[in-house]
Amino acid sequence: SYVLTQPPSVSVAPGKTARITCGGNNIGSKSVHWYQQKPGQAPVLVIYYDSDRPSGIPERFSGSNSGNTATLTISRVEAGDEADYYCQVWDSSSHVVFGGGTKLTVL
Amino acid sequence: EVQLVESGGGLVQPGRSLRLSCTASGFTFGDYAMSWFRQAPGKGLEWVGFIRSKAYGGTTEYAASVKGRFTISRDDSKSIAYLQMNSLKTEDTAVYYCSRRGEVTDYFDYWGQGTLVTVSS
Repeated sequence: SYVLTQPPSVSVAPGKTARITCGGNNIGSKSVHWYQQKPGQAPVLVIYYDSDRPSGIPERFSGSNSGNTATLTISRVEAGDEADYYCQVWDSSSHVVFGGGTKLTVL
Repeated sequence: EVQLVESGGGLVQPGRSLRLSCTASGFTFGDYAMSWFRQAPGKGLEWVGFIRSKAYGGTTEYAASVKGRFTISRDDSKSIAYLQMNSLKTEDTAVYYCSRRGEVTDYFDYWGQGTLVTVSS
């Protein structure tokens, strides 16, 4: 089955830019969606179809997808952005696949 | 306002069964595919399965880890999706979430708050 690889952790200082990667074989040919999950809470969709933002998600959140890597970028990082982030695609069997998740720490 | 509320979780012995419910409101339930996910303590998100809307056949898909043991169904008249879990194993211990997906979209835009299932003797 299709495998998505995320770094376990990313650290960034407030006000800086965080980039969280999601690697997969030719992932650029797939649609990638990103979810934010804070401790004890349900996941929240932050990016869909590689780079679209749902209403209510700050413009600081953006996404890109090309080749073997999709990237979630968070600009001007705030303390409230500290969370786990998961990328998601569909595999060829109509099954949902998640990356292992990345813990974003705001220093 | 879209709301999804899971219920039915609890402590269950290995080998026993449990049925979870996902009660929806704030949208036309029958127009959406409904999915179940789980998250074991301290672990990442895992997809469990989904049921398509009646317009798309109402068919189901399951993750390999639960296929043959878990069954997803829906009652559109009550706006409820169910997850019937049989032959439970200790490794099924997790918070279970339901979520909706538009039939022509790939993403899950609303999630419930989850219900904890603990499988232990």
